[in-house]
Amino acid sequence: DGGITQSPKYLFRKEGQNVTLSCEQNLNHDAMYWYRQDPGQGLRLIYYSQIVNDFQKGDIAEGYSVSREKKESFPLTVTSAQKNPTAFYLCASAGVGYYGYTFGSGTRLTVV
Amino acid sequence: AQSVTQPDIHITVSEGASLELRCNYSYGATPYLFWYVQSPGQGLQLLLKYFSGDTLVQGIKGFEAEFKRSQSSFNLRKPSVHWSDAAEYFCAVGAGNTPLVFGKGTRLSVIA
Repeated sequence: DGGITQSPKYLFRKEGQNVTLSCEQNLNHDAMYWYRQDPGQGLRLIYYSQIVNDFQKGDIAEGYSVSREKKESFPLTVTSAQKNPTAFYLCASAGVGYYGYTFGSGTRLTVV
Repeated sequence: AQSVTQPDIHITVSEGASLELRCNYSYGATPYLFWYVQSPGQGLQLLLKYFSGDTLVQGIKGFEAEFKRSQSSFNLRKPSVHWSDAAEYFCAVGAGNTPLVFGKGTRLSVIA
């Protein structure tokens, strides 16, 4: 079955280290998105990509980086410049017409 | 700028009672509107969506929502709540290929 896979489900990082979150989809969707979720804050957009080799910053891009070398993959790197990286990260994808997103099951990142 | 307001942070209803979750949006163009549900530690699942046409839309799990342009609202309803409906609910707005903007969510608790 088609879907979107995020890995790992839980991730621990020491302060000062970069860490990369994986997001893979086999839905043949053109657009992919990264959101950050904090309690009481809803979902905030980090980065998005509507085509391979192109991406745009969202509302809270500082301290994050992405790449889109393949249609299926949109990894997110949380850099040491991100001041408060502990959060739940959600990846989503959308097909032609963007008629609603398909979400992955999320990665919970904890800085220790 | 587009925005979504979910006025109720937390709602508690009795099993079998009716439910209405409120959503108000601000958007410059004719919006696409969505309701998603999230169980703890999971991704978001699409409940229903509105693009155009009939302002009362039916979704999965017995949910429905009504689009009221004059009130900029898209409230979610269910006639009889089940204990399994306990979750967090998010309203979202977008159009075309613009990334969705999410509300901060409403947490639903169901009591016996």
